[in-house]
Amino acid sequence: ETGVTQSPTHLIKTRGQQVTLRCSSQSGHNTVSWYQQALGQGPQFIFQYYREEENGRGNFPPRFSGLQFPNYSSELNVNALELDDSALYLCASSYLLTGSSYNEQFFGPGTRLTVL
Amino acid sequence: GIQVEQSPPDLILQEGANSTLRCNFSDSVNNLQWFHQNPWGQLINLFYIPSGTKQNGRLSATTVATERYSLLYISSSQTTDSGVYFCAARRGGHTGTASKLTFGTGTRLQVTL
Repeated sequence: ETGVTQSPTHLIKTRGQQVTLRCSSQSGHNTVSWYQQALGQGPQFIFQYYREEENGRGNFPPRFSGLQFPNYSSELNVNALELDDSALYLCASSYLLTGSSYNEQFFGPGTRLTVL
Repeated sequence: GIQVEQSPPDLILQEGANSTLRCNFSDSVNNLQWFHQNPWGQLINLFYIPSGTKQNGRLSATTVATERYSLLYISSSQTTDSGVYFCAARRGGHTGTASKLTFGTGTRLQVTL
């Protein structure tokens, strides 16, 4: 069984640029969630993708967007990067069954983004 | 949204000591997870425990859903237990979709020789 993978591991960008982060979900999972973790804080929910559609969003501006592909992998895109976007970006996958409350999430190793 | 609070924020133990980490949450939950974040940032699943008690080796966890708290016990601590422990909860009433986890601010554990 393959776990959650993310790429790249590290990334350095300058303010105003755009970035794309990638995530491959764990085998058998159908849902991907993205989280942002600033230094010294707990992860904050960005959004979730289920059946290739955004399905739940946290308090993040529209310049944070994403995609989910038919194989359940996902991308997080951030436009017009700001210094405060510097953080660890974590992807989590889970298996959701409509009508079930079970929703254990498994996290990838993260992408550390630095915005200069 | 749901609020998640963890205590203590920092903990220093000698190797071999036992500890209890606490997580309080403000609403009913249908997902409660404990994670250990290693120095490289990887969140490692410890327990999925929306209610009841579970044990895994030197670690155990108890969630009392009616009183809105969860406890993580670490016995005979080792230096490899060092890191940040997070509790994360999903508000009850959601089934099948919108699986947002709300994290606490973590407990930073340091185990010394």
